[in-house]
Amino acid sequence: GAVVSQHPSRVICKSGTSVKIECRSLDFQATTMFWYRQFPKKSLMLMATSNEGSKATYEQGVEKDKFLINHASLTLSTLTVTSAHPEDSSFYICSAPDIAGEQFFGPGTRLTVL
Amino acid sequence: QQQVKQSPQSLIVQKGGIPIINCAYENTAFDYFPWYQQFPGKGPALLIAIRPDVSEKKEGRFTISFNKSAKQFSLHIMDSQPGDSATYFCAASDVQGAQKLVFGQGTRLTINP
Repeated sequence: GAVVSQHPSRVICKSGTSVKIECRSLDFQATTMFWYRQFPKKSLMLMATSNEGSKATYEQGVEKDKFLINHASLTLSTLTVTSAHPEDSSFYICSAPDIAGEQFFGPGTRLTVL
Repeated sequence: QQQVKQSPQSLIVQKGGIPIINCAYENTAFDYFPWYQQFPGKGPALLIAIRPDVSEKKEGRFTISFNKSAKQFSLHIMDSQPGDSATYFCAASDVQGAQKLVFGQGTRLTINP
């Protein structure tokens, strides 16, 4: 299947700093990518849809100014958690659909805000 | 209407047994039903997926059964092994539309040796 990578896999930061997470589709192009958040022992919660060349679409209750999404190319989407606080600590995962519509997930990024 | 309900929440099966995980949906616009396997600290991995034009799909030891009229689908794992112990998520999406996946609540599966 298609491969999606994420970087970094783990990040620890101080409260008030911003953190950028990259999501790349390695062997296919993706005009759309999705960003999820997952709490321990819970299901994946869709945060936003990242659209190449246009603004991201956020799910209800997700702060646009808090979670900045940029989809600058057909293989790269970035999620920036701005002014991070301990409550933003979570597992962030991206996904991208291939040309057949099958969605493949990245390995996830564990964010810990101190 | 966007929900996908998954059961059971957890499941323990002896090695060689056939765990069955069930999902139900409401939105008739859904036309893509994947199952994902997730190990702790890892991203979900696509196991197998089905579209509504077939009632069953088999890939290796994994089988999806799909009942369009009942709006239900299930995952069967044949000859289960301890290495299959993981959390399994069903999902559904409207591939022709927004492609957003709606996930079930997850099933924590344990296969005892």
